[in-house]
Amino acid sequence: GAGVSQSPSNKVTEKGKDVELRCDPISGHTALYWYRQSLGQGLEFLIYFQGNSAPDKSGLPSDRFSAERTGGSVSTLTIQRTQQEDSAVYLCASSLVSGRGELFFGEGSRLTVL
Amino acid sequence: DAKTTQPNSMESNEEEPVHLPCNHSTISGTDYIHWYRQLPSQGPEYVIHGLTSNVNNRMASLAIAEDRKSSTLILHRATLRDAAVYYCILRETSGSRLTFGEGTQLTVNP
Repeated sequence: GAGVSQSPSNKVTEKGKDVELRCDPISGHTALYWYRQSLGQGLEFLIYFQGNSAPDKSGLPSDRFSAERTGGSVSTLTIQRTQQEDSAVYLCASSLVSGRGELFFGEGSRLTVL
Repeated sequence: DAKTTQPNSMESNEEEPVHLPCNHSTISGTDYIHWYRQLPSQGPEYVIHGLTSNVNNRMASLAIAEDRKSSTLILHRATLRDAAVYYCILRETSGSRLTFGEGTQLTVNP
């Protein structure tokens, strides 16, 4: 596809379960961001990948959250032992060149923790 | 990362110009000024960006103050479809985490 693809688009899970959210960035984009957006709120930065550099994990809210990016392409955000406060839309964005490049966002993965 | 300040909300009438302000007094010389907007139930979409000079594209214009401490996004003729939250953010040339503020909720009245 031409854009950033995220899956699943919707995920309902029970409290305490682990979930994985996937992001397929645009081919060739070296920068990849994960954000979280709770209902009616702004975007909360989670993690940033740039090429082969160590990721900036400073936005991850707890050690239950982790993310990896394999081969500089696909990224997976994992939330362990989900809590109700994890319910949000998780957005992924990628860009070709940092700074000058525009960010392209996916449609997001809506996570509901019951 | 440098911070931006925007009004929480603005209102406009259809087919009138809209000027959305953003203050970024701590901007560094290598920061690009980016604008994105988010329509209801969608991911944010790119609108425009610039470094020092004013910029125009098919969606909007970006006016950057001479000292770069503020900028204004200009929608020349607002339509109902322009109703969205508009975010002004700064991107370092070298790349880094990007912090989105609360943005400006634009309401367009018919």
